Amino acid sequence: GDSVTQMEGPVTLSEEACLTINCTYTATGYPSLFWYVQYPGEGLQLLLKATKADDKGSNKGFEATYRKETTSFHLEKGSVQVSDSAVYFCALTSGAGSYQLTFGKGTKLSVIP
Amino acid sequence: DAGVIQSPRHEVTEMGQEVTLRCKPISGHDYLFWYRQTMMRGLELLIYFNNNVPIDDSGMPEDRFSAKMPNASFSTLKIQPSEPRDSAVYFCASSLVGGSHNEQFFGPGTRLTVL
Repeated sequence: GDSVTQMEGPVTLSEEACLTINCTYTATGYPSLFWYVQYPGEGLQLLLKATKADDKGSNKGFEATYRKETTSFHLEKGSVQVSDSAVYFCALTSGAGSYQLTFGKGTKLSVIP
Repeated sequence: DAGVIQSPRHEVTEMGQEVTLRCKPISGHDYLFWYRQTMMRGLELLIYFNNNVPIDDSGMPEDRFSAKMPNASFSTLKIQPSEPRDSAVYFCASSLVGGSHNEQFFGPGTRLTVL
């Protein structure tokens, strides 16, 4: 079945540090890939997505590139802010006709001033 | 748009009691999903509906859990009887077929504590 593996947290960074959260996947077909973010006390919200190989999703300074050859979708940001403190989830849908999201376990990021 | 609405936001109950969680999806969305989030198991899909019809309930943990969607604007998740191990945050999400590659929009969640 489909699965998503992301790096264990928590991750603690100083403000303006670089961030990488690793995500790899196993899926049948041609999945679409997503990063969702969950701020404290809130539901998940979509951060960025990519729907085919070599696509780059980007939003709020975050980026992730769909790498089919390595089955990866790592989340990166060049300079984190305190307001980026949240839990980040990598997820996928299996492709055409699939409406189920398969989530990774989440990575908690804390950014300290 | 108001987004996905869930109620209550917090629920504390005693073991053995019935619990009903409520969800109003985004107007016009035709898929509705119920998730459970715990520290141990992460996010788990419990059940999802398409056009008010349950499509896959394989994630429902046991017969104590049931979900309904009587119309396009309302769904309930019921636990009867509740047990302490049901304590979790329950999320509802909705999406639109043909929308932005199946993006799901999540509600704020209901934090359930069963004593």
